Order: sequence, then structure tokens, then C-alpha cells
Amino acid sequence: NAGVTQTPKFRVLKTGQSMTLLCAQDMNHEYMYWYRQDPGMGLRLIHYSVGEGTTAKGEVPDGYNVSRLKKQNFLLGLESAAPSQTSVYFCASSYSDARPYQPQHFGDGTRLSIL
Amino acid sequence: AQKITQTQPGMFVQEKEAVTLDCTYDTSDPSYGLFWYKQPSSGEMIFLIYQGSYDQQNATEGRYSLNFQKARKSANLVISASQLGDSAMYFCAMRVGGGSYIPTFGRGTSLIVHP
Repeated sequence: NAGVTQTPKFRVLKTGQSMTLLCAQDMNHEYMYWYRQDPGMGLRLIHYSVGEGTTAKGEVPDGYNVSRLKKQNFLLGLESAAPSQTSVYFCASSYSDARPYQPQHFGDGTRLSIL
Repeated sequence: AQKITQTQPGMFVQEKEAVTLDCTYDTSDPSYGLFWYKQPSSGEMIFLIYQGSYDQQNATEGRYSLNFQKARKSANLVISASQLGDSAMYFCAMRVGGGSYIPTFGRGTSLIVHP
């Protein structure tokens, strides 16, 4: 009963380094999302995907790239990490627009610090 | 554009008392779904309750109920008989029909339950 799994859970990077966060879901959800959460800012959408091979920009996409080569996986990449990208990152997934509307299922988050 | 407003940054309640967390929303689409999520200090996002715009009755899930007032565009979460474990951040969110893939989140309300 895995649901949405994010790896890694914690990571410390130096400015300029790159890394990839992996999100995997086993619920056959069509939609997947990457959010960042900063104190007092709530959840801000970085990128999302409505199906395998598709991606789209959210509210705060700069400095991030994503890929969804397989339906169950959604990768978030930081090409050149900056201290402003220190945050907690959440992946979420959901079914499409079937009614009743379906909630998002969230991973446990990745705490990322950029020094 | 859709918007969720949570006007209470922080709330305090005595154990065993009821508490209402406010959420107002704005959308011109007649079809939408409203969600509440709980985020305890451990960080995970937990789906609590859902209300559809065409639902005739207010949603209930155990000690959680949603006070849905469509004309006022409010979807307040009521927690009855508060427990210490209810201390958490609570987020209100909305999904809108018509092919909108992106849920809209409020900034959250921090609830502290005192013994």
C-alpha cells in the first residue's frame, strides 16, 4: 500500500550542484504534481503533468525541469541549485476530472537544503 | 481565476471543544470540489474531507464536517471534540471542472489544541 513515494527524504546540496527528485505512484493516477512549501507561503505549484509524456509549468517553474516518461513516475530536476530553492518539496497525484472530484494523494515530502 | 482564502493564520482550541476553520472560495464555474487537508508537524499531507458543489448535504467524516454555504461561497471545516492530535496545519483546496487540472490551495490555518 505504497501510494506516493518520494526519494530522497532529505538532501543537502551546495550551490551550483544538480540533483533529481523522484516521485513514484502506484495508483494509476493520470495527474501528477510537484509543489514546494515554504513557511507562510502554503503550497506553490512548480510543474505538473496530466499524462505520460506531458508536462506543464505551474506557478513557480523557474530553475526546475520535470519529466514524465512513465505514467507512474514524475521527476523533478534542479540543474544548478540555488539557496532560494531550499524548501520542502511535495509530490502529489490524482485521478483526472472524474466526478466526484478526486483528492490529491501526497508523498511524505523531500526536505532540501542548498548551502 | 479560482481563489481560496483562509483568513485565520492561527487558531487555538481547548481539548474536547469544537472548532471551526474558515475557508472562502471564488470561482465562476458551477461545478467544483472542495477539499480539506491536514498537515501535522511530521509533514505529511492527509486528505480529510470532500464536498462537491452539487452535493445536497454537508459532508461528514467522523469528527470532521464541512459547513458548506454555497451562496456565501464558504466551506468551513468543523472539528468536533478536539484532540491533542488535531494540532496541525489545515489547508482548504478547490478543484474546478472544465478541464482545469490545477487544484487551488489556501495558505493554511495552524490549529493548536490545548490540554
